[in-house]
Amino acid sequence: EAGVAQSPRYKIIEKRQSVAFWCNPISGHATLYWYQQILGQGPKLLIQFQNNGVVDDSQLPKDRFSAERLKGVDSTLKIQPAKLEDSAVYLCASSLGGDGYTFGSGTRLTVV
Amino acid sequence: AQSVTQLDSQVPVFEEAPVELRCNYSSSVSVYLFWYVQYPNQGLQLLLKYLSGSTLVKGINGFEAEFNKSQTSFHLRKPSVHISDTAEYFCAVISNTGNQFYFGTGTSLTVIP
Repeated sequence: EAGVAQSPRYKIIEKRQSVAFWCNPISGHATLYWYQQILGQGPKLLIQFQNNGVVDDSQLPKDRFSAERLKGVDSTLKIQPAKLEDSAVYLCASSLGGDGYTFGSGTRLTVV
Repeated sequence: AQSVTQLDSQVPVFEEAPVELRCNYSSSVSVYLFWYVQYPNQGLQLLLKYLSGSTLVKGINGFEAEFNKSQTSFHLRKPSVHISDTAEYFCAVISNTGNQFYFGTGTSLTVIP
């Protein structure tokens, strides 16, 4: 089966600019996650979708981060405006259940 | 909530030597446990997982891990490492009723020729 697709692979922006990341989960996976992985740390959950509804966004900095999954398939994560501390790898994952997570290759964001 | 502690941030080991990467977790409920590997500039790849049953779990690339409930540990082992095993390794936990992974801070394994 095809894996979780993410784009772009790399992005460099200046602080205060906006950026968007895209994720296409594995076909049929109802649950989609966005994780932030800062260098030297483990991934941290930003938001979880079940189909097109938000299950958990308690750790999403909502003043600058937003995410949507309008049709319950693809998802976009946006940062506006970006800060230096947003430099990280943004990982998308999808699953059918608690033991079937598949991660994408991630988008490496550098804010300068 | 759950938490994961990876006791070693960096582990250097000579090629063909055995290695153990330590992971301890904390949870008030039953959990599922996972080990993921991350190669440079890549996403996370599942090495192995413990859901139930036998406490010794075998994964890909010759890795195995043992679930020890009394010590709340899930250490990863490989009897003979290869250069290609150089990567970052993450232990993760999820409750059997939850849906969010909690990751450790990672262990950087460096295999020395």
